[in-house]
Amino acid sequence: EAGVAQSPRYKIIEKRQSVAFWCNPISGHATLYWYQQILGQGPKLLIQFQNNGVVDDSQLPKDRFSAERLKGVDSTLKIQPAKLEDSAVYLCASSSLDGYEQYFGPGTRLTVT
Amino acid sequence: KQEVTQIPAALSVPEGENLVLNCSFTDSAIYNLQWFRQDPGKGLTSLLLIQSSQREQTSGRLNASLDKSSGRSTLYIAASQPGDSATYLCAVRGIAGSARQLTFGSGTQLTVLP
Repeated sequence: EAGVAQSPRYKIIEKRQSVAFWCNPISGHATLYWYQQILGQGPKLLIQFQNNGVVDDSQLPKDRFSAERLKGVDSTLKIQPAKLEDSAVYLCASSSLDGYEQYFGPGTRLTVT
Repeated sequence: KQEVTQIPAALSVPEGENLVLNCSFTDSAIYNLQWFRQDPGKGLTSLLLIQSSQREQTSGRLNASLDKSSGRSTLYIAASQPGDSATYLCAVRGIAGSARQLTFGSGTQLTVLP
């Protein structure tokens, strides 16, 4: 069974630029999550999708972050414009249903200079 | 708001030692608790998941316990090996609403010396 795929693996941008991350969950998984992990901290949930609907985006900085999950499969997370404090690893995870075990991708390491 | 704390932040042990990692959480109304392993530059790998009604789970050399009333969990690693070197994260899932999301601790960075 293929795992959660993410791209790119690494990205370096200057502040005020925009960036997008892509996630392909495990086939058949209805629930998809985006997490932000700042160095030395645990992951923090940014947004949760159930199929193509948003379940929880209470911690998503909506003035600069956006996410979509078209057709209930792949998802993209965008930051526009980026700030220095957005430097982190962005993790995507999926589960068969809400509340079930989550499977994580390798993450995208973002550096904002 | 749920808060998860992991102590110690870093731990270094010689190969072969048995060790215990600690996790504490402030709200005992949890659905389940999960222990993850994170290797540098990689995502999280789930090690053990304990439902709120369970007291412990075992997988190979790993044993996780849960004391919901006191807000504590421990991860016991027997006969540690250099390959166990990684960051271990504890996460709890609440019961309702936004609390159903996973809340993570900051992790314990484990180094097993050969």
